[in-house]
Amino acid sequence: RKEVEQDPGPFNVPEGATVAFNCTYSNSASQSFFWYRQDCRKEPKLLMSVYSSGNEDGRFTAQLNRASQYISLLIRDSKLSDSATYLCVVNQVGGSQGNLIFGKGTKLSVKP
Amino acid sequence: ETGVTQTPRHLVMGMTNKKSLKCEQHLGHNAMYWYKQSAKKPLELMFVYNFKEQTENNSVPSRFSPECPNSSHLFLHLHTLQPEDSALYLCASSQQGPAYGYTFGSGTRLTVV
Repeated sequence: RKEVEQDPGPFNVPEGATVAFNCTYSNSASQSFFWYRQDCRKEPKLLMSVYSSGNEDGRFTAQLNRASQYISLLIRDSKLSDSATYLCVVNQVGGSQGNLIFGKGTKLSVKP
Repeated sequence: ETGVTQTPRHLVMGMTNKKSLKCEQHLGHNAMYWYKQSAKKPLELMFVYNFKEQTENNSVPSRFSPECPNSSHLFLHLHTLQPEDSALYLCASSQQGPAYGYTFGSGTRLTVV
């Protein structure tokens, strides 16, 4: 089983739609979870951390389910500018625990 | 200047060349990283430095040689690369510890011919 797994998409949605991405991780001892956004030919940028209680930032909501070892990202009222690849990220367990493991990403395309 | 700065942005090199990638962070972070991103693959961790000491070498071939002279600067020295080494090389920095996300530089897009 891969350490971090995501559906690569692409998810093609109209403006204003609600879209959700899921991600699963393999090591139940992982402690830190993030969603990053990466635009085409650009570097990844931190979108939000994911907390056990769930957290919301404007149109974006992140949830963590430790029992099932998955993380979700919900985007409401999609904008054209939300088109990007969304990377699920989990901290490495064992070794240096500050190291982050990245999923392959889920591509989102928001159409007019 | 703030953030993480990488130079050059683009690099084309022959298989017999020697070149270096440079990364500089102005965030006061303690840890710096090199990642490789190839098409259709997740980011691959290459090297980790904490307080300028190398703490991880993720089975990277010796044709890639990192150097970290201080906590703000990180280099990746390249020699006798192969065409399959063509990729986007990303530098990142963070505070040490699992709770902190990374700040990435813009990357160096490397093409080996």
